[in-house]
Amino acid sequence: AQSVTQLGSHVSVSEGALVLLRCNYSSSVPPYLFWYVQYPNQGLQLLLKYTSAATLVKGINGFEAEFKKSETSFHLTKPSAHMSDAAEYFCAVSEAAAGNKLTFGGGTRVLVKP
Amino acid sequence: EAEVAQSPRYKITEKSQAVAFWCDPISGHATLYWYRQILGQGPELLVQFQDESVVDDSQLPKDRFSAERLKGVDSTLKIQPAELGDSAMYLCASRNHGQDNEQFFGPGTRLTVL
Repeated sequence: AQSVTQLGSHVSVSEGALVLLRCNYSSSVPPYLFWYVQYPNQGLQLLLKYTSAATLVKGINGFEAEFKKSETSFHLTKPSAHMSDAAEYFCAVSEAAAGNKLTFGGGTRVLVKP
Repeated sequence: EAEVAQSPRYKITEKSQAVAFWCDPISGHATLYWYRQILGQGPELLVQFQDESVVDDSQLPKDRFSAERLKGVDSTLKIQPAELGDSAMYLCASRNHGQDNEQFFGPGTRLTVL
């Protein structure tokens, strides 16, 4: 069965500092992995996705993530935080064997301090 | 750019009342998902449709929840009777075959049960 663990429900960073959000997954087969961002009372917006083409994935708004099979991790980073990055971030996994449904982590809320 | 549409955006109801949510997926997307997101948690799948057929409703509380997608296009999720614990964001997503499992989300319906 697929599952996702996001370490840290809240992260506080200073504007201009590195953003690092941790995600570990469990999957019986090579998975598809996703990072979504959610602003208050809005739906989910895709930041980036891993589909086995490349282990380092670049997404929108300066975010990137690296797939590490040996560590079953897919951590999200951004070199320099901006005030507009304050939001909730969700890591998700999907497998064809599970009907391609998304299984989400619990989310990490990012606070950006000026 | 094509988007998933949902209505209403916000719904306040009293317990024991009936509520219904509507979703119109991106044109041509055969797969449609309904997720429930309780405040402070990640979304969880309620039901998955492939065209007009339900392929996964294992997490749908069938004593009070129902979902349909009669013509394989738009979909309705109903709760009758609503309970206090149903207060959540209800998200609809759609996916086209072969798009690296990427799901596109609508803006959601925020339900408050009083």
